[in-house]
Amino acid sequence: QVQLKESGPVLVQASETLSLTCTVSGFSLTNYGVIWVRQPPGKGLEWMGIIWRNGNTDYNSALKSRLSINRDTSKSQVFLKMNSLQTDDTAIYYCTRDEGPYWGQGVMVTVSS
Amino acid sequence: DVVMTQTPVSLSVAIGQPASISCKSSQSLVGTSGKTYLNWLLQRPGQSPKRLIYLVSKLDSGIPDRFSGSGSETDFTLKISRVEADDLGVYYCLQGTHFPLTFGSGTKLEIK
Repeated sequence: QVQLKESGPVLVQASETLSLTCTVSGFSLTNYGVIWVRQPPGKGLEWMGIIWRNGNTDYNSALKSRLSINRDTSKSQVFLKMNSLQTDDTAIYYCTRDEGPYWGQGVMVTVSS
Repeated sequence: DVVMTQTPVSLSVAIGQPASISCKSSQSLVGTSGKTYLNWLLQRPGQSPKRLIYLVSKLDSGIPDRFSGSGSETDFTLKISRVEADDLGVYYCLQGTHFPLTFGSGTKLEIK
């Protein structure tokens, strides 16, 4: 059974770095990519970036200077790090598999000034 | 970036009646493989998005055939033949052909 679950701090101070983990099960990170998507409260969805099955990454150009995505295949975990946080980075952060209808439950992150 | 324009912004439909949502892209979504990477997702209140349709018209497993997708190039439509109470939420189109992937702004379906 394919599952993805996001974890990380729910409150981060402005100007600090956000670190989130997506732990997957039911598939291997060497066979599928993982995408990060975020959704500010009451707003739409924004594609942030992807780590492909081969470990390569692609990022939304709007976030590229602040964002990095990495993984630990042995632990089935994908990591998102985004620095220089501002209050408009407050959002639900989701991870989703690049193929198939699989999404995590999301984690709500609030950036406090 | 490819802009995905969804209409209407909101929709109020009685149970048993049809519904239709449009999504237009600023560029053709036909990829180099010849495939068109256009998805439809539903986000029910308080839940994660759920993919309903991929490659324009292919239903995901477990999605009732009341849902259908159609279109080509830059013009796409999601249709619900008979709306049920469980269909309420926000529908998004998502293009996966060009990077960065981009979503439509969403259509909120309410039950009349």
